[in-house]
Amino acid sequence: EVQLAESGGGLVQPGGSLRLSCAASGFTFSSAWMSWVRQAPGKGLEWVGRIKSKINGETTDYAAPVKGRFSISRDDSKNMLYLQMNSLKTEDTAVYYCSTGGLGNWGQGTLVTVSS
Amino acid sequence: DVVMTQSPLSLPVTLGQPASISCRSSQSLVHSDGNTYLSWFQQRPGQSPRRLIYKVSNRDSGVPDRFSGSGSGTDFTLKISRVEAEDVGVYYCMQGTHWPFTFGGGTKVEIK
Repeated sequence: EVQLAESGGGLVQPGGSLRLSCAASGFTFSSAWMSWVRQAPGKGLEWVGRIKSKINGETTDYAAPVKGRFSISRDDSKNMLYLQMNSLKTEDTAVYYCSTGGLGNWGQGTLVTVSS
Repeated sequence: DVVMTQSPLSLPVTLGQPASISCRSSQSLVHSDGNTYLSWFQQRPGQSPRRLIYKVSNRDSGVPDRFSGSGSGTDFTLKISRVEAEDVGVYYCMQGTHWPFTFGGGTKVEIK
């Protein structure tokens, strides 16, 4: 069974940084393209970014609102996905989900609140 | 970016009756590889989203066959043949053809 478990969310001040983690199990993580998707309170879904598998170059793509501030990485030896978030803004407040490839599997999400 | 427009925003339905949600994209979702990467997601209250349909009409494992997807090019539809109480929630379409991938605004399905 595919399992994804996000952690690392919390309250952070504007301009601050936070690193989210996603522990994956139940599938061949090293072969999977992985994504982060977020959902602001009471709003819809927004794709944050994705990372391809190592065999596909581990290249990353980001949505415009987070490009240059957020960075996705992975550790295939630990089956872990990461989202490094810098220069956080109040509009980054959301539940952040990690997901496999075409969003076929989702974690439970972790809440990030950016507020002073 | 490709804009995904869903309608209606809200869909009150009677148990056992059919329901239909429309999703239109601002440009064709046919990929250069010949596939059309249009997916549908269900988000029940308080839960994470769950993918129901991928590549227009393929049901994910465990998804009841009362859910079906259809369409082509820029015009797509999710149909529920007979709505059940557990189908209450918000439904989203999403295109995975053009980066950045984008979601529709959502359709809230509720029981009359």
